Amino acid sequence: QSVLTQPPSASGTPGQRVTISCSGSSSNIGSNYVYWYQQLPGTAPKLLIYRNNQRPSGVPDRFSGSKSGTSASLAISGLRSEDEADYYCAAWDDSLSVYVVFGGGTKLTVL
Amino acid sequence: QVQLQESGPGLVKPSETLSLTCAVSGYSISSGYYWGWIRQPPGKGLEWIGSIYHSGSTYYNPSLKSRVTISVDTSKNQFSLKLSSVTAADTAVYYCARQGELFDYWGQGTLVTVSS
Repeated sequence: QSVLTQPPSASGTPGQRVTISCSGSSSNIGSNYVYWYQQLPGTAPKLLIYRNNQRPSGVPDRFSGSKSGTSASLAISGLRSEDEADYYCAAWDDSLSVYVVFGGGTKLTVL
Repeated sequence: QVQLQESGPGLVKPSETLSLTCAVSGYSISSGYYWGWIRQPPGKGLEWIGSIYHSGSTYYNPSLKSRVTISVDTSKNQFSLKLSSVTAADTAVYYCARQGELFDYWGQGTLVTVSS
């Protein structure tokens, strides 16, 4: 059971806009930044969004992040076949001690 | 370009200690940042194991803390993971990563299987 809750799956057709949610609590998302990772099949995760809504150099602006209270979302617009991957949210958690928590991951299928 | 490369045995027997090393190139560990280990059981999600600073300061996932030791060797620009008393539940791909913006650079990962 992951500390951060994500839907196990999401899907969309090419060109569509898809959102993936990430729900947490006051000790993680509610008081810390949210990060998003993309994991293509058989590869290491790649940082997609940092500090809630910032994109690292090289990440297309089709990807955007937002946060409100104890929840966060990743939006992908203009969906492309190469976006088919697993997406994970992450955040620091201050509840017991300072540590990092991940969501369970969302598998995005491009139909 | 920062690059990380995990190395170590791919098979560990139950109750023994898993040992992995992460070699860093393109950046000096002594220059800063924390450096972390993350694992992913087959077909499952990511789990943070722990992180270390170049000074040796560490912090660990509370659920693994009693079995984990992370150390750093700045002379070799590498850091290491030891996980004791392993069971089949510790079978996973183990990644090392730089903890810039919460893991901005990752190694390719190495599969460690716990089996007799």
